[in-house]
Amino acid sequence: EDQVTQSPEALRLQEGESSSLNCSYTVSGLRGLFWYRQDPGKGPEFLFTLYSAGEEKEKERLKATLTKKESFLHITAPKPEDSATYLCAVQAENDYKLSFGAGTTVTVRA
Amino acid sequence: GAVVSQHPSRVICKSGTSVKIECRSLDFQATTMFWYRQFPKQSLMLMATSNEGSKATYEQGVEKDKFLINHASLTLSTLTVTSAHPEDSSFYICSAEKETGELFFGEGSRLTVL
Repeated sequence: EDQVTQSPEALRLQEGESSSLNCSYTVSGLRGLFWYRQDPGKGPEFLFTLYSAGEEKEKERLKATLTKKESFLHITAPKPEDSATYLCAVQAENDYKLSFGAGTTVTVRA
Repeated sequence: GAVVSQHPSRVICKSGTSVKIECRSLDFQATTMFWYRQFPKQSLMLMATSNEGSKATYEQGVEKDKFLINHASLTLSTLTVTSAHPEDSSFYICSAEKETGELFFGEGSRLTVL
């Protein structure tokens, strides 16, 4: 069974204080690893898809990286508007379903 | 990015009534849509996969007679919570798969059953 573990559960940062979120996964053949941002009371918003180890993608202050066992979401010089829950999900080669982690809730203080 | 619309965003109903939630892909056709349930501070749990023109595939433990899913067209899927009870109160989210394989999520629907 696919497993996705995100850490930490919660992260409180000062504005400008860079940090990383971890997503460890176990899957029988990875088709893709997805990062989403979710604001309270809203649906997830797509950020990145990573397909193979060594791949990196960037969007504004966010950068996602992938290894064979885990993915990191780096937040560089965060701003208060980066406060959200960040969800990681994996999709197996032989399946179309996404398995989600529990998320990391990031709070950025001004 | 692609837009997926859910309606209603919030609904409050009495115990024993049925509630229908709509999920529409506004600017693309989605042969596959997914329905998730999310409890407070927990992740999304897949309930069922909806394919246009065929019966939905339910995940283990999800009552198909309780949660009726219809995918009537390439842009619309509906989830009906039948005879809702307080334990059905939750945040329901749909997603639609674009032909590129990307998934786009709706804004979610918060159901409160009194």
